[in-house]
Amino acid sequence: EAGVVQSPRYKIIEKKQPVAFWCNPISGHNTLYWYLQNLGQGPELLIRYENEEAVDDSQLPKDRFSAERLKGVDSTLKIQPAELGDSAVYLCASSLGEARLGDEQFFGPGTRLTVL
Amino acid sequence: AQSVTQPDIHITVSEGASLELRCNYSYGATPYLFWYVQSPGQGLQLLLKYFSGDTLVQGIKGFEAEFKRSQSSFNLRKPSVHWSDAAEYFCAVGAGDMRFGAGTRLTVKP
Repeated sequence: EAGVVQSPRYKIIEKKQPVAFWCNPISGHNTLYWYLQNLGQGPELLIRYENEEAVDDSQLPKDRFSAERLKGVDSTLKIQPAELGDSAVYLCASSLGEARLGDEQFFGPGTRLTVL
Repeated sequence: AQSVTQPDIHITVSEGASLELRCNYSYGATPYLFWYVQSPGQGLQLLLKYFSGDTLVQGIKGFEAEFKRSQSSFNLRKPSVHWSDAAEYFCAVGAGDMRFGAGTRLTVKP
């Protein structure tokens, strides 16, 4: 069974440029998460989808970050414009059931973003 | 608010020695607790989780963890460490609003 797929794996951009990350969750998983992981830190939740609905986006900086999950499957996270402080690893995860049930989250390998 | 503290940033153990990684949490109710492992360039992998019941939880790769409510702790243990266990270990609390600790990096000496 294929795991969570993320692309690109690495991205280097200049500040003020836009950037997008793509995530394909495990087939049949209803819940999708985007996390931000700074160097030397644990992941921090940015947004959580239950099917196509964003049910928790309280930690998403909405002035520059946006996300969508079309048809409740793939998801895209966008930053526009990127700032130096956005350099980090962006992780996508998915789980079969609702998050409140504590279903295991399966993580993708992440996208490492470097903003110059 | 829920939070997780992993007091040890970096731990070094010899191969074959026992291991204990510490985790303390703050949570308003009975917590969901998790331990994840992250190898370089890899995604996080779940080692084990605790929801309720037996406070000693067995996980994959020979790891176990013990939930101690009185100490607000959920420490991870392994009786004999292998070189392949070298990685970053994260403790987490919660469910949909999961909070991760800052991680403990494990180095294994030959």
